[in-house]
Amino acid sequence: KQEVTQIPAALSVPEGENLVLNCSFTDSAIYNLQWFRQDPGKGLTSLLLIQSSQREQTSGRLNASLDKSSGRSTLYIAASQPGDSATYLCAVRYTGNQFYFGTGTSLTVIP
Amino acid sequence: NAGVTQTPKFRVLKTGQSMTLLCAQDMNHEYMYWYRQDPGMGLRLIHYSVGEGTTAKGEVPDGYNVSRLKKQNFLLGLESAAPSQTSVYFCASSYHGPGLAGGNEQFFGPGTRLTVL
Repeated sequence: KQEVTQIPAALSVPEGENLVLNCSFTDSAIYNLQWFRQDPGKGLTSLLLIQSSQREQTSGRLNASLDKSSGRSTLYIAASQPGDSATYLCAVRYTGNQFYFGTGTSLTVIP
Repeated sequence: NAGVTQTPKFRVLKTGQSMTLLCAQDMNHEYMYWYRQDPGMGLRLIHYSVGEGTTAKGEVPDGYNVSRLKKQNFLLGLESAAPSQTSVYFCASSYHGPGLAGGNEQFFGPGTRLTVL
């Protein structure tokens, strides 16, 4: 079974701080990796998708990087805002058709 | 575009009852997925489909059946509900095609909260 780990499980930061969320996976032969945010009681919203051939993707204040050799991806959030408070999930796809999800990091940005 | 929609949003069942969850997408995606989300367990894949008329088992398929009679719809059935199936169920869809453009990005529905008593 493929393992995807997200540490820490919870993170609290003051508004304006830059922060990094981590995602680790056990098998480096990934097809792609996707980052999501989930607000309480809601579905998942796609943030960034990184293909295995890419090193990073950027969207606004978000930057996701991928290092297959070390089995890691990071999601960098610049100048955090209270509206960024949510749970952030990463999902890894291998060459089959299944995605494997981490259990998420719950982020709280304090005004 | 509505994206991915799920029906119903909430449901309470008694043990042994049956029900069907409906997922619909209007993005012409080939692939569709059913997940369940439980506290501390993350999202786990129940079944998925790679096209109309196809289905395949995911990580936790026992107790569930699925059908994909139309490309835009993916149904999840519980024939005899058990308390262990109390969960939040999410449907997702994705495009799969040549090249990198939009390939494999999953889009999720809002979820169905199911309680089995």
